[in-house]
Amino acid sequence: DVKVTQSSRYLVKRTGEKVFLECVQDMDHENMFWYRQDPGLGLRLIYFSYDVKMKEKGDIPEGYSVSREKKERFSLILESASTNQTSMYLCASSNQGAQYFGPGTRLLVL
Amino acid sequence: QKEVEQDPGPLSVPEGAIVSLNCTYSNSAFQYFMWYRQYSRKGPELLMYTYSSGNKEDGRFTAQVDKSSKYISLFIRDSQPSDSATYLCAIRWGSTGFQKLVFGTGTRLLVSP
Repeated sequence: DVKVTQSSRYLVKRTGEKVFLECVQDMDHENMFWYRQDPGLGLRLIYFSYDVKMKEKGDIPEGYSVSREKKERFSLILESASTNQTSMYLCASSNQGAQYFGPGTRLLVL
Repeated sequence: QKEVEQDPGPLSVPEGAIVSLNCTYSNSAFQYFMWYRQYSRKGPELLMYTYSSGNKEDGRFTAQVDKSSKYISLFIRDSQPSDSATYLCAIRWGSTGFQKLVFGTGTRLLVSP
């Protein structure tokens, strides 16, 4: 079974804080993704990576950065958290074909 | 026009009913079609993955693709309260190389006992 894990299920942060969200997959997948999910807006792609140290902007990269130093690990960084970044954050991985998702991190920025 | 359209629901049915969930898409270049199930406050879980037009069955679930109409469906037979979740369709262009998925916004299904 594909296993994608995320470091936290729930996080509460203050405006201006730097936030790190970690994702690890155990299936040796090439591709990894970060999405945010908001009611009525569905899943929106923030960043993705198709190889170690490679990253590409998705549809809504502003205010975010990513790091992929190892194949199995993909980190999402909020440089200076803002209230409009309160959301559900989902990590996914794939080779070719379907993506497999982690359990999600609910982030609340106060 | 959105690339993938999906009715948000909610769709409410009694236990045992046959459920039909649908998505339409605009780009005929799409070739691969997926359905995900997402329980409240959890990540999406892959249910079905299909390529060709026609039907693919897995237990109580059947995925149907009509490329000529740009229409995909997920049927759930003998629906159970545990099927209550949001169902997302997802589509991609090809199978090789890197491909992004395009997601529908999801249909919320409620199955009452």
